[in-house]
Amino acid sequence: EVQLVESGGGLVQPGGSLRLSCAASGFTFGSYAMNWVRQAPGKGLEWVSAISGSGGSTYYADSVKGRFTISRDNSKNTIYVQMNTLRAEDTAIYYCAKCRYGTDSFDIWGQGTMVTVSS
Amino acid sequence: DIQMTQSPSTLSASVGDRVTITCRASQSVSSWLAWYQQKPGKPPKLLIYKASTLESGVPSRFSGSGSGTEFTLTVSSLQPDDFATYYCQQYDSSPTFGRGTIVEIK
Repeated sequence: EVQLVESGGGLVQPGGSLRLSCAASGFTFGSYAMNWVRQAPGKGLEWVSAISGSGGSTYYADSVKGRFTISRDNSKNTIYVQMNTLRAEDTAIYYCAKCRYGTDSFDIWGQGTMVTVSS
Repeated sequence: DIQMTQSPSTLSASVGDRVTITCRASQSVSSWLAWYQQKPGKPPKLLIYKASTLESGVPSRFSGSGSGTEFTLTVSSLQPDDFATYYCQQYDSSPTFGRGTIVEIK
């Protein structure tokens, strides 16, 4: 079964850091670009970051550029996002999502992990 | 960034109705457009990609059309399981989503 499982969310103070993980199973992980997409409480979807299958290319939304770093370990079938200098507006459910082959639509999503930035 | 505008923001409909949701892009995205369905407490589910290609396992009552800047998602006969929020997403450049359309029971 194709599956993505996120972990690492929690409560963090403004200015703090957090690292999220997403463990994948059921597909040839290194062949696919992967993404982080977030959803603030009661709001819509916002793409955050993407990483190519090899890990050699990374992409970021302007809202997180310079603060978030995406990475992957293909030997562990896992992607990560290191989130630094967190702000209240980063509070959201963070979803890991797999790119559909040959497109940047997202065909597989994890259940999400909640990040709350508050003092 | 390319802005995606969905309309309506809320749609009230009954089981069996034909419903159409529109998504407009601030500039051409060719056919690089996807539609998702999201239910409360769940992640989004891919319905359609490349504007009109139905994802495997998605019922044929869902269809997508359009290219360039104007796109539509149509549900030919609304079923109880279809009451949800729908999002469009362009992937011609850095991905952006519409604000969503809530399909509610009339």
